Amino acid sequence: QVQLVQSGAEVKKPGASVKVSCKASGYTFTRYGISWVRQAPGQGLEWMGWINGYNGNTNYEQKFQGRVTMTTDTSTSTAYMELRSLRSDDTAMYYCARESFKGLIRLFDCWGQGTLVTVSS
Amino acid sequence: DIQMTQSPSSLSTSVGDRVTITCRASQSIANYLLWYQQKPGKVPNLLIYAASSLHSGVPSRFSGSGSGTDFTLTISSLQPEDFATYFCQQSFSFPWTFGQGTKVEI
Repeated sequence: QVQLVQSGAEVKKPGASVKVSCKASGYTFTRYGISWVRQAPGQGLEWMGWINGYNGNTNYEQKFQGRVTMTTDTSTSTAYMELRSLRSDDTAMYYCARESFKGLIRLFDCWGQGTLVTVSS
Repeated sequence: DIQMTQSPSSLSTSVGDRVTITCRASQSIANYLLWYQQKPGKVPNLLIYAASSLHSGVPSRFSGSGSGTDFTLTISSLQPEDFATYFCQQSFSFPWTFGQGTKVEI
């Protein structure tokens, strides 16, 4: 079955970087894109950006431009999200989600289990 | 960016009640509207896509309607497992944006 498995929880100091992985299985990785969505404690969902699983093209939310890099390794069907210059308000659960299509509608039909990133001095 | 505004932010209800949640987009998004359910400590799950199409495996008590800027998620008869937070999301144009969520509680 389609599955996304993310790397484990991270604790980082302010100013550091974090790189979260998302390993896909159960489908052809290059036929779908991956979005990254984060959720601060007790808050809503915030889309961070998207990467095309076929050619690596990206589209980042303006808020994260310059601080985030999304990449893929098609040989291992793994997507990565690196966030730099971490601040305390980056403390959140980070999710990867597969973007699928129903007709022209893009949607998230499978989510990783989430990776908790805590930023604290 | 397209802003998505949900109402109410929370609602108290009972098993068997009919529940309606609304989502308004800051500009027309045609039917590029999705609804997700998130239970505490769990990942979001897709309920509705294209504003009114039920995702596979989702019970028929869930329904969606609307187009343009105004959308509705309806639960016809609330079940105990439906107590959760519901989010709308637009996939009309980047950046994808979510509503702030509606918490349905007892």
